[in-house]
Amino acid sequence: EAQVTQNPRYLITVTGKKLTVTCSQNMNHEYMSWYRQDPGLGLRQIYYSMNVEVTDKGDVPEGYKVSRKEKRNFPLILESPSPNQTSLYFCASSSLGTDQFFGPGTRLTVL
Amino acid sequence: GQNIDQPTEMTATEGAIVQINCTYQTSGFNGLFWYQQHAGEAPTFLSYNVLDGLEEKGRFSSFLSRSKGYSYLLLKELQMKDSASYLCAVYTGGFKTIFGAGTRLFVKA
Repeated sequence: EAQVTQNPRYLITVTGKKLTVTCSQNMNHEYMSWYRQDPGLGLRQIYYSMNVEVTDKGDVPEGYKVSRKEKRNFPLILESPSPNQTSLYFCASSSLGTDQFFGPGTRLTVL
Repeated sequence: GQNIDQPTEMTATEGAIVQINCTYQTSGFNGLFWYQQHAGEAPTFLSYNVLDGLEEKGRFSSFLSRSKGYSYLLLKELQMKDSASYLCAVYTGGFKTIFGAGTRLFVKA
């Protein structure tokens, strides 16, 4: 089954404690992206990757890091989380220029 | 700047037709997507318009006018399960997609 998986699905953490949200896709897609979704603001792109070892900033990259060492995986790293990073996070993948498949989402709360 | 506008909420009756509008002003345009998102779930793809005109897919149709920066999603024969948010998104090129804030549709019996 074609899918994008994210882990964890829910996470409550404290300010400053480093965390990683994993994302994996099994469709051999070149393009992967991370979004955050906040009420009234819609989906905002954090980082994206066009292929292995190629990443770039989206619209709201501050406080986040990513890496793309393998085609299937695209982890999102928060080195020092802060309360304003409390949000619903989605990972997505696609072939270039086509519609995106979204993962199930990770609901993060930073206290 | 980049701007995508959609109504915040709409209400319609089961069995009726509803049109959700989207206007956009973006620095580039390579296509427009519509996604459906049920509460607490991931967005799922509905349609993609690149050229002007109407694309029909079952009960759902999507229209695009590039000169007017305008699109709409038309849902026919509404069902209760169509209660969801509908996201308009512009693929601007350069691997970037910009999303509107979404329209929450409530379908009542």
